[in-house]
Amino acid sequence: EVQLEQSGAEVRKPGEFLKISCQGSGFRFGSSWIGWVRQMPGKGLEWMGIIYCGDSDTRYNPSVQGQVTMSADKSSSTAFLQWDSLQASDTAIYYCAKLRGHNYDHFEYWGQGTLITVSS
Amino acid sequence: DIQLTQSPSFLSASVGDRVTITCRASQGITTYLAWYQQKPGKAPKVLIYAASILQSGVPSRFSGSGSGTEFTLRIDGLQPEDFATYSCQQLHSYPHTFGQGTTLEIK
Repeated sequence: EVQLEQSGAEVRKPGEFLKISCQGSGFRFGSSWIGWVRQMPGKGLEWMGIIYCGDSDTRYNPSVQGQVTMSADKSSSTAFLQWDSLQASDTAIYYCAKLRGHNYDHFEYWGQGTLITVSS
Repeated sequence: DIQLTQSPSFLSASVGDRVTITCRASQGITTYLAWYQQKPGKAPKVLIYAASILQSGVPSRFSGSGSGTEFTLRIDGLQPEDFATYSCQQLHSYPHTFGQGTTLEIK
């Protein structure tokens, strides 16, 4: 069974560092694309980008490029989303999701989401 | 970026109804379109991909159609568990944008 287990909710202050995780199981992590989707409070879904877990090839949405960093660790089957300096506008639920196959495929499996709250 | 515009944004319907949600793309995307359902407090779930292919395990009352710039999601015989938010996503060009969502409410 494919599963994506995300790290727990976080409360941080503006300017702080944060790295959240998404651990996969039940599939070949190193041959998979994992994506991140943001959902701001009461809003729709926003595609942030995808990473190929085999070689960490990434595709970022220009709207977040330079603001976040996606990474993946094959040894622990875990993908990460990182902020070096959080802003209040980063407050949202972040979902990781596994693409069905190639990098133009849909999100077939989703994590449960990680709520990030950024407030001074 | 390719913009996806869903209509309507809100829809009220009754159990047993047939409903149609439209997703229009700002440029042609052939059939690189997926539909997702999201319930409050839950992650989205894929219903349809490649515009018309039903995801395994999804009830057959859901169907998708379209190509190019206009797509529809149809639900035949609404069930109580279908009241949720529906979003389309294009997979033709990066970034793989989503529509703004359509909230389906019980009338």
